[in-house]
This record gives sequence, C-alpha cells and structure tokens, in this order.
Amino acid sequence: SAVISQKPSRDICQRGTSLTIQCQVDSQVTMMFWYRQQPGQSLTLIATANQGSEATYESGFVIDKFPISRPNLTFSTLTVSNMSPEDSSIYLCSVGTGGGTEAFFGQGTRLTVV
Amino acid sequence: GENVEQHPSTLSVQEGDSAVIKCTYSDSASNYFPWYKQELGKGPQLIIDIRSNVGEKKDQRIAVTLNKTAKHFSLHITETQPEDSAVYFCAASEGGGADGLTFGKGTHLIIQP
Repeated sequence: SAVISQKPSRDICQRGTSLTIQCQVDSQVTMMFWYRQQPGQSLTLIATANQGSEATYESGFVIDKFPISRPNLTFSTLTVSNMSPEDSSIYLCSVGTGGGTEAFFGQGTRLTVV
Repeated sequence: GENVEQHPSTLSVQEGDSAVIKCTYSDSASNYFPWYKQELGKGPQLIIDIRSNVGEKKDQRIAVTLNKTAKHFSLHITETQPEDSAVYFCAASEGGGADGLTFGKGTHLIIQP
C-alpha cells in the first residue's frame, strides 16, 4: 500500500483566513481524492484531484472555496479559503492506483477555525 | 447518486464474542465495497473489501458478505479483542480505487473486557 503524508497534521486558524493542506505519496498514483470528516461524522468526498487539469468537485463543494492543485502523480494540495467555524473538520487525502484497486487514506489534517 | 446506510451506530460486545455490522446501498452500479477502521486521531485504515463478483471474503477473524440482489453487505468480526474497539465505516463505489467512495455513517464498536 502507498504511504501518504499530510501536512500539517493539525492547525488552529482565524476566521477569514485560508489554509493549504499538502498530501505527498511515496509512489506514483493514478487517483487522488480529498475528503472532509466533520466532528463525529462520516467522510464526504470533496473532489477528485486530476493531474494536469482542474479538479472534479462533488455537489455542494466549489472551486472558489476549496481550490485544489495536483502538479504531478505524487503530490496534491487542498486550500480551505475564507474559513469560518463551520469549516472545522478533519480533511483527508486518499489515493488509488486505479483499475479497481483499493483506496488508502492519509492520517488527516485536523482544522479548527476560531 | 449513491446512498449508503449503516447499522448499528453503536455496538457493544463482550470480548471474545462476534460483532456484525450491516450496510445497504442504493446504486445497483456500485461494484466495490470496502470496510475501514478508524481509531481516534488517525485516518481510516482499509481492513477488508469485496467486489461484486464475490459473495464472501475472509481474512483471519474478519469476513465480509455481499448480497447484490438485496443490495446489502456485512462485516463480521469473530473472537473480538480489545484492540478491535474503533469506528468502522462501510463504503461503496463503481470503480474501486479509481472512483471516490460513498461512506456509511459509521459504527462505534466497543469491546467490553
């Protein structure tokens, strides 16, 4: 399985600011995804990070709020923009090698907005 | 889109007993069903998965069954141990790791000593 590193592991941010979360994988992967897990809740897919093109967002998530970059097959970033307390969540990076194989998760970034 | 229901939300069992968690899905196109274990402060860990061409899969104390006709799948843990205490999530997708997953709401499994 791939080793996925997320930075930062946690942060406390002021409302109105932005935070960029990094996801680094130790091998090239076909698919990279970003999920949100609100406190005590399940995981919700935010978007698929596409290498070399714009991310594909799920219903309820927009690029202006959650811009995503994926410059290569091992790295992606998620920015949470103009944060409010409602954005306090765990943000998780997930990777898949495609072809019907498994999806693995990073340890997550715990974000608190005050 | 896909909708995954998971029950129960909390399950308490005596150490050594079995635990069963059940999920149903709505999209007949879904063909990949993983289960994840999440411990406090950690990311979800894949523990077992099953694809639609298989009815049952087992890995030591953990097994998953799938009924495509009824659109439900279950996680079975036998001989439970204290380290099995965690939140378990089921999920579904059309394309395995190539597609994003739709998750159930999770089951908090508590193993009583």
